[in-house]
Amino acid sequence: AQTVTQSQPEMSVQEAETVTLSCTYDTSESNYYLFWYKQPPSRQMILVIRQEAYKQQNATENRFSVNFQKAAKSFSLKISDSQLGDTAMYFCAFALYGGATNKLIFGTGTLLAVQP
Amino acid sequence: GAGVSQSPSNKVTEKGKDVELRCDPISGHTALYWYRQSLGQGLEFLIYFQGNSAPDKSGLPSDRFSAERTGGSVSTLTIQRTQQEDSAVYLCASSLGAVSYGYTFGSGTRLTVV
Repeated sequence: AQTVTQSQPEMSVQEAETVTLSCTYDTSESNYYLFWYKQPPSRQMILVIRQEAYKQQNATENRFSVNFQKAAKSFSLKISDSQLGDTAMYFCAFALYGGATNKLIFGTGTLLAVQP
Repeated sequence: GAGVSQSPSNKVTEKGKDVELRCDPISGHTALYWYRQSLGQGLEFLIYFQGNSAPDKSGLPSDRFSAERTGGSVSTLTIQRTQQEDSAVYLCASSLGAVSYGYTFGSGTRLTVV
């Protein structure tokens, strides 16, 4: 069975600074996808960034980038130039490629507070 | 619609009552998912629909929980004889079918059982 672990329940960062959120996962499969979702107080889950396991190049989306270490089964999210609007719960998620149910498996989340 | 719509946004019910939660996915999205988010927890998978059938309902926690989807569109999650431990946010998501681009989520229904 696949599992996703986020070991940082809460983090804080000053506006304009850089912060890294950690995520590790466990799987015996080689083809899969990894995601970071953001959940602000509105409860709407928003896809931040995605990574295909077969790609060695780390994904980037504007101020958001990942450090994907396949051998270590690590998938951290780096937020550069943090903004007040980045304050949210961040969830790491895993999905098998070609899985029967396309099910996303989520970690328990990291609550990020951006301080002015 | 433009996004995934869930109703009601909030629901308070008495212990022992039945509740129905509704999800209206993005038009054309064949896959639909229900997740439960309890306080301080991650998202717990409940059930997956492809069209009107549910090939994976392994996450439903008990036989008090059921879900259906009609016309390949709207889905209803029903909880019978609600218990206090059912209090949570229930999130619905839809996708075109392939997981590679993730899901689009609704804003959820916050259920409080008193």
